[in-house]
Amino acid sequence: DVKVTQSSRYLVKRTGEKVFLECVQDMDHENMFWYRQDPGLGLRLIYFSYDVKMKEKGDIPEGYSVSREKKERFSLILESASTNQTSMYLCASSLKWGGRRTEAFFGQGTRLTVV
Amino acid sequence: GNSVTQMEGPVTLSEEAFLTINCTYTATGYPSLFWYVQYPGEGLQLLLKATKADDKGSNKGFEATYRKETTSFHLEKGSVQVSDSAVYFCALTRYNQGGKLIFGQGTELSVKP
Repeated sequence: DVKVTQSSRYLVKRTGEKVFLECVQDMDHENMFWYRQDPGLGLRLIYFSYDVKMKEKGDIPEGYSVSREKKERFSLILESASTNQTSMYLCASSLKWGGRRTEAFFGQGTRLTVV
Repeated sequence: GNSVTQMEGPVTLSEEAFLTINCTYTATGYPSLFWYVQYPGEGLQLLLKATKADDKGSNKGFEATYRKETTSFHLEKGSVQVSDSAVYFCALTRYNQGGKLIFGQGTELSVKP
């Protein structure tokens, strides 16, 4: 069974803390993504990666950075957490685009609360 | 740019009712279209997909047809169950955009016994 695993289901952090969200996939996928989910806004892409050590900004990268040192692992970093980063964070992975028959597989999500 | 628009929720139905959740999209070329479902407290799961015009995706009694002429991908189910209560997301991806998904805002479905 395909698996995308996020390290935490729930996190509570203080304003100003550096926060790491970890994601691991076991499907040998090249692509990995971090999305943020907020009510009424759907999912918005923060960052994505097509390969090890490669990253590209999504639609809302401000206040975030990422790291991909190994193919199976993609980390989202909040350099200095703020209350407006309280949200549900979803990691996803997919095969490198080679046609029209790929889809993304999602982790279970991390609900982050910044106080 | 590319975008997806879904009907607003929440949608409340009685068990065995017919379900339609509307989805329209804006995209150049020929995107692939998806419906994802999110059950309470969980991540997203792929429900069905269609990769070219007139394709019909189906799974678990749900269906959606890729209509290029109306740029739509409406989700339907003939008889909903309480267990279908979830949030449903319509999404698209362009073949040259590396699998990046563009999502609608989601539609919450609540099915009452």
